[in-house]
Amino acid sequence: EAGVAQSPRYKIIEKRQSVAFWCNPISGHATLYWYQQILGQGPKLLIQFQNNGVVDDSQLPKDRFSAERLKGVDSTLKIQPAKLEDSAVYLCASSRQEKAGNTIYFGEGSWLTVV
Amino acid sequence: AQTVTQSQPEMSVQEAETVTLSCTYDTSESNYYLFWYKQPPSRQMILVIRQEAYKQQNATENRFSVNFQKAAKSFSLKISDSQLGDTAMYFCAFMSRATLLIQGAQKLVFGQGTRLTINP
Repeated sequence: EAGVAQSPRYKIIEKRQSVAFWCNPISGHATLYWYQQILGQGPKLLIQFQNNGVVDDSQLPKDRFSAERLKGVDSTLKIQPAKLEDSAVYLCASSRQEKAGNTIYFGEGSWLTVV
Repeated sequence: AQTVTQSQPEMSVQEAETVTLSCTYDTSESNYYLFWYKQPPSRQMILVIRQEAYKQQNATENRFSVNFQKAAKSFSLKISDSQLGDTAMYFCAFMSRATLLIQGAQKLVFGQGTRLTINP
């Protein structure tokens, strides 16, 4: 079974530029997550989708961050304009959510450096 | 809101030794799930072990075991016979069972992590 795929793996941009990250979850996984992990900290949930609907985006900085999962499969996270404090690893994860406590599987992450 | 606290930013042990990583959490719920994830330098989160709060028996997975103290809201990870490949960041995470009421609402809340180094 293929894992959660993310691209690009690494990106360096200047502040005020824009960037987009792509995620393809494990086949059949209805729930998709985007987490932000700043160096030295634990991951923080940015947005959570169930199929193509948003379940939780309470911690997404909506003035600069946006995410979509139009067909309920792959997803794109966009940052525009980027700030220095957005430098982090962006982790995508997915889960079946068919029963309680389903395991959440993570991709390898997209590393963003804003200079 | 639930919170997860890992009070040991870094730990270091010799290969083959046993090491215990600490985790405490805060919740008003009685049913939930707890996890330990390993994050090597590649940054991919890998599930190490999980515990269901309504099960009194501590979970074990080969060299990994937990000490789950529900009343104390403590969930420590013990790694026996540590190996060089165990070197990584370790994250404790909480998942509410109450979110089952909402389809697709289950999520993980992570602690700050413990950097574990196994020395040869």
